Amino acid sequence: QQQVKQSPQSLIVQKGGISIINCAYENTAFDYFPWYQQFPGKGPALLIAIRPDVSEKKEGRFTISFNKSAKQFSLHIMDSQPGDSATYFCAAPCLPYDASKLTFGTGTRLQVTL
Amino acid sequence: SAVISQKPSRDICQRGTSLTIQCQVDSQVTMMFWYRQQPGQSLTLIATANQGSEATYESGFVIDKFPISRPNLTFSTLTVSNMSPEDSSIYLCSVLHHPNTGELFFGEGSRLTVL
Repeated sequence: QQQVKQSPQSLIVQKGGISIINCAYENTAFDYFPWYQQFPGKGPALLIAIRPDVSEKKEGRFTISFNKSAKQFSLHIMDSQPGDSATYFCAAPCLPYDASKLTFGTGTRLQVTL
Repeated sequence: SAVISQKPSRDICQRGTSLTIQCQVDSQVTMMFWYRQQPGQSLTLIATANQGSEATYESGFVIDKFPISRPNLTFSTLTVSNMSPEDSSIYLCSVLHHPNTGELFFGEGSRLTVL
């Protein structure tokens, strides 16, 4: 099964700063890399996802950077806000070309301070 | 999108008992999944709930411990059998609404505490 290594475990960022979370995966045959956001007491929700045919995807303040040769992808949150305080999970498919079943990273707890 | 309702939202159970968690989706979906999230930890896939056939379990999870039903395309149950304190977790129902997008929708989870 695909392993996904996520860092850091926790992150404290001042309001307006940039939050960066990193993930590394093992198998280059996989073609879908999402990030999920989870608030306390809620289920995870898809934040943004990328396929490896592009090196970057941006949606508002959230950007995924993808480095296929290094087998890494990262989430950047620009102009971080207190409302972004949540746990973030990267994920990758368990099987090639099958995005239905995911294996998740260990999670990063982000706290954005005033 | 898909709206997923789970019951119960939380429960406290005694060791050795069993608890059934229900998952209701507001639309028909092909694929439903059950995940476990231990306190402060990541999500681990338990099984895929297949409509009209037995669930497909991931390594480390067995049907006797986590029997799953999927009577139709909008409903599934997960039973945690013969519970021990190690089963204390959040159990999350998840659906794949559109296979082409790969986007999973999750319920809010059922927080189970076993004493």
